[in-house]
Amino acid sequence: DGGITQSPKYLFRKEGQNVTLSCEQNLNHDAMYWYRQDPGQGLRLIYYSQIVNDFQKGDIAEGYSVSREKKESFPLTVTSAQKNPTAFYLCASSTGQNLGYTFGSGTRLTVV
Amino acid sequence: GENVEQHPSTLSVQEGDSAVIKCTYSDSASNYFPWYKQELGKGPQLIIDIRSNVGEKKDQRIAVTLNKTAKHFSLHITETQPEDSAVYFCAARNTGRRALTFGSGTRLQVQP
Repeated sequence: DGGITQSPKYLFRKEGQNVTLSCEQNLNHDAMYWYRQDPGQGLRLIYYSQIVNDFQKGDIAEGYSVSREKKESFPLTVTSAQKNPTAFYLCASSTGQNLGYTFGSGTRLTVV
Repeated sequence: GENVEQHPSTLSVQEGDSAVIKCTYSDSASNYFPWYKQELGKGPQLIIDIRSNVGEKKDQRIAVTLNKTAKHFSLHITETQPEDSAVYFCAARNTGRRALTFGSGTRLQVQP
């Protein structure tokens, strides 16, 4: 079955550590996205990529980094520069024609 | 950039009643308006969408209306059922930035 997989489901990070969240899709979608969701709030765009080896900053890119070396993969690194990283992180993908997203099931990151 | 406002933040209805959620957007260049349903601990799922050249779209108990002049769009759910209880997000996308901007979400509770 085609889909988008995020791992891990839960992640704990110590202060000052970098962590990488995985996002893999087998839908053959060109575009991929990372959003952050805080309790009671909407989804805020961190980074997005329309094609391999190209990506753009979203509204809250500070303290995050991404890469897009393969069409199927769009990992997100939460760096120590991100001051408040505790949140639910959602990865999504879409085709060029169908503008709607397919979302992964999310990664809940907690700073301990 | 685009700004999407969503109301109400919470909505409680009796089973069988209708529910209406409203969103406004700021960028007149926006041309695609999806609605997502998110259940607890999961990623959002697309339930219906509408493009700017259409005023209304219906899919069984769900409908979306768009007023381009006023820059607002609404989700209508008729004959609500307990399984409709979830958080609903509206979003908008324009051709300038090829990513969705989301509203803050509406928590819908359907009382049996």
